[in-house]
Amino acid sequence: GQNIDQPTEMTATEGAIVQINCTYQTSGFNGLFWYQQHAGEAPTFLSYNVLDGLEEKGRFSSFLSRSKGYSYLLLKELQMKDSASYLCAVNDYKLSFGAGTTVTVRA
Amino acid sequence: DSGVTQTPKHLITATGQRVTLRCSPRSGDLSVYWYQQSLDQGLQFLIQYYNGEERAKGNILERFSAQQFPDLHSELNLSSLELGDSALYFCASSVEGGTRLRSDKNIQYFGAGTRLSVL
Repeated sequence: GQNIDQPTEMTATEGAIVQINCTYQTSGFNGLFWYQQHAGEAPTFLSYNVLDGLEEKGRFSSFLSRSKGYSYLLLKELQMKDSASYLCAVNDYKLSFGAGTTVTVRA
Repeated sequence: DSGVTQTPKHLITATGQRVTLRCSPRSGDLSVYWYQQSLDQGLQFLIQYYNGEERAKGNILERFSAQQFPDLHSELNLSSLELGDSALYFCASSVEGGTRLRSDKNIQYFGAGTRLSVL
C-alpha cells in the first residue's frame, strides 16, 4: 500500500520562503509529483522528480531523495496568489496523493 | 486551461438516481484517470483507462463504473446515488499510462471537475 505524509497547514508572510515536506512509503516508485490546488478548482501540475536532486522552475523548486523516501517543495518570494493546497503524489504506476498542505500567505 | 474537458460542471440530483460524467482527454493522451474529492478530503483515485482498456482500479465502489471509448473520451457512471457521493469528480489524462520509466509522459493533467450534489 501507499503511505504519503505531508503537513496539514503552513502559514508564511508575503515575500518569504516556505518549504513543504513530503515523506512516502510505497511498494514501487516511478516519480514524485507536486500539484497546486486552489479551493474548488482542479489540481495544476507544478513539478516532477524522478531522479535524486533538485529541480528548479522559477519561484518553485522540488527536491527528491529516493533512498530516504523524502521530497520537498520550496516556494520562494511568496505571493498572495500562492495561498492554496499543495499536493504531493507518488507514481507507483498509479498516482497516489497525500492529503495536501494548505499554505496561507499573509500580507 | 489544461486541455482536459469535463462535463457537466455541476450536477444536482436525488438519492437513488444515476448520473453520467464525461471527460475528453488532451489531444494525444491515451490514458484517462478518474478521482473523487469529497469536502476536506484528499484526492482518491477511482479508476484508470489506457487506450480503451481498464489499467488500474482504486477505491471505486461497485455502484460506480467507467469506460473509455474508441475516440478516447471517457464516462464515469454513478448509480444508486447516496448523500455521501456528493463530491468533486476530476478526470485527468496523460500521454502514457504511468508505467514508462522516468518520462514526462506520465504527467497527469486535470480537468476542471464536475461538482456532484446528491440531495
